Amino acid sequence: DVQMTQSPSSVSASVGDRVTITCRASRGVSTWLAWYRQKPGKGPELLIYATSALQSGVPSRFTGSGSGTDFTLTISSLQPEDFATYYCQQANSFPLSFGGGTKVEIK
Amino acid sequence: EGHFLESGGGLVQPGGSLRLSCAASGLTFNYYAMSWVRQAPGKGLEWVSTISGQGGSTYYADSVKGRFTISRDNSKNTLYLQMDSLRADDTAVYYCANSRDGYFFLYWGQGTLVTVSS
Repeated sequence: DVQMTQSPSSVSASVGDRVTITCRASRGVSTWLAWYRQKPGKGPELLIYATSALQSGVPSRFTGSGSGTDFTLTISSLQPEDFATYYCQQANSFPLSFGGGTKVEIK
Repeated sequence: EGHFLESGGGLVQPGGSLRLSCAASGLTFNYYAMSWVRQAPGKGLEWVSTISGQGGSTYYADSVKGRFTISRDNSKNTLYLQMDSLRADDTAVYYCANSRDGYFFLYWGQGTLVTVSS
């Protein structure tokens, strides 16, 4: 099974800040990696799939990169709606698996 | 864009059963694999099960294998999760979500809460 490890587990930031979240897979997942944002009390929403492809309707301030075992999600200029929890997910093999989450909080 | 509405959650005793439903609209349902993902209170996301578009292939997390059964009725645009032998650690919000061209979860429902407690 592939274990996904995210860091940091939480980050404090201000509106307009640049934020980077990392995700490491216990073995290579090629580019089968997605990122989700979950706002409190809501279902998750897909931001990035296949490592770097922006889901339709998602703002361009979100970018993804990486391959193999190491991946990053960057938010170039944090907006109020971005204070939420972010998860990575590998889609390379079953069982599918998520990282533990990164909570982006207001500084 | 798909819309999903989960239902069937509630309070059940340990060892009991529950059947969740996920009604889909706004998409060609049988084009998509469908999955259940759960989230225990205050915890992260955990994949539970996936079924292919025509229902011929199913996959389960080890934690639910042998106890949960995923199925779909494409004529009704509905996904199901039959949950038997429920345990306290199955307590979670259960979400359904669709996938295509890889097992990324494109759109999610709002979730239904399952509480297993005596």
